[in-house]
Amino acid sequence: AQSVAQPEDQVNVAEGNPLTVKCTYSVSGNPYLFWYVQYPNRGLQFLLKYITGDNLVKGSYGFEAEFNKSQTSFHLKKPSALVSDSALYFCAVRDTDSSASKIIFGSGTRLSIRP
Amino acid sequence: DAGVIQSPRHEVTEMGQEVTLRCKPISGHDYLFWYRQTMMRGLELLIYFNNNVPIDDSGMPEDRFSAKMPNASFSTLKIQPSEPRDSAVYFCASRKSTYEQYFGPGTRLTVT
Repeated sequence: AQSVAQPEDQVNVAEGNPLTVKCTYSVSGNPYLFWYVQYPNRGLQFLLKYITGDNLVKGSYGFEAEFNKSQTSFHLKKPSALVSDSALYFCAVRDTDSSASKIIFGSGTRLSIRP
Repeated sequence: DAGVIQSPRHEVTEMGQEVTLRCKPISGHDYLFWYRQTMMRGLELLIYFNNNVPIDDSGMPEDRFSAKMPNASFSTLKIQPSEPRDSAVYFCASRKSTYEQYFGPGTRLTVT
């Protein structure tokens, strides 16, 4: 069965420091991986995706993610955190068991950036 | 582009009442998804449509829930009768052939 895991419920980082939000996945076949961000009282917003190509994917708001096939990971990173990055972050993977139209979301990681 | 539009943004109703949530997907998108988000269960996929046809409704909790998509620009999610445990934020999302989904702002449903 396809799955995605976000091992940390919460990540706390000081403004200006680098941040990493972790994600690991389990799929059969080629993984299609995504990151979404949810600000309070808002819907999820697409940040970036990995389908194929370079393992380092760049997305919105200065975020990037690194696909690591051997470790089955897709960690989200940013070199210098902003207070405005504080939000709930979801990792997701395409469900290859179904018609491949669904994506499976992780449980979310709350990122808190302190001034 | 206006993005995915959902209405109402907030709904408060009494147990036993019928609730109808509405969604207008992004023009040109041929997939539409309904999700429910709660603190306890996180984000759950309820049902999705392709070209207005329901493809997978395995996430619909029970017969009290139903969804329709009469045309490419409109979908409804109906709960009848509503129960307090249905209280949640309901999201609609749409996408084209690329896999990323675009979410609406959600409807916060409170059933008392």
